[in-house]
Amino acid sequence: GENVEQHPSTLSVQEGDSAVIKCTYSDSASNYFPWYKQELGKRPQLIIDIRSNVGEKKDQRIAVTLNKTAKHFSLHITETQPEDSAVYFCAASTSGTYKYIFGTGTRLKVLA
Amino acid sequence: DSGVTQTPKHLITATGQRVTLRCSPRSGDLSVYWYQQSLDQGLQFLIQYYNGEERAKGNILERFSAQQFPDLHSELNLSSLELGDSALYFCASSAQGYSYNEQFFGPGTRLTVL
Repeated sequence: GENVEQHPSTLSVQEGDSAVIKCTYSDSASNYFPWYKQELGKRPQLIIDIRSNVGEKKDQRIAVTLNKTAKHFSLHITETQPEDSAVYFCAASTSGTYKYIFGTGTRLKVLA
Repeated sequence: DSGVTQTPKHLITATGQRVTLRCSPRSGDLSVYWYQQSLDQGLQFLIQYYNGEERAKGNILERFSAQQFPDLHSELNLSSLELGDSALYFCASSAQGYSYNEQFFGPGTRLTVL
């Protein structure tokens, strides 16, 4: 069945360093990959997304890369700040299925 | 504020009981999704409705049911509650319900089953 694996489950980095979170999906027909950020006690919010016809997308300090052959995609956060501390979820979706399959989440802690 | 509202914020009930969670989507959004988030768990997709009709189903238990009304608000009904049903239940909405439409999440309803 459809599955999205996400690693690592927890990640601690020093402020100013980079953080990378990786996801692997099982359905080769998946073509849309959003990333959501969930701060403690709050709702998940979309931070960046990528479609399968693009290999990389960047938005200020955040970037996402996609390798369709290997069926994996990654979130890159540069120059991390304490406010980046949160749980990050990747997801994969396939046209016609209408639903997201979420990864299990990565708890990022940025140490000041 | 995403524009998606959920009531109640908190719900405490006993095993065997039945509860109803309510969600109002953003103005203009036609699609509603329900997710379950257990402690230290990811977001488990339960079910999606589009303009009143069920469109996609995930790992939703038979004890759970949902519907979307003509005014587009949605309700998630949980019955014969068990301790393991304790979780944060999120509702999300999107404009058309296509896979590439951004989903906007509500604040969630925290259900505690004692």
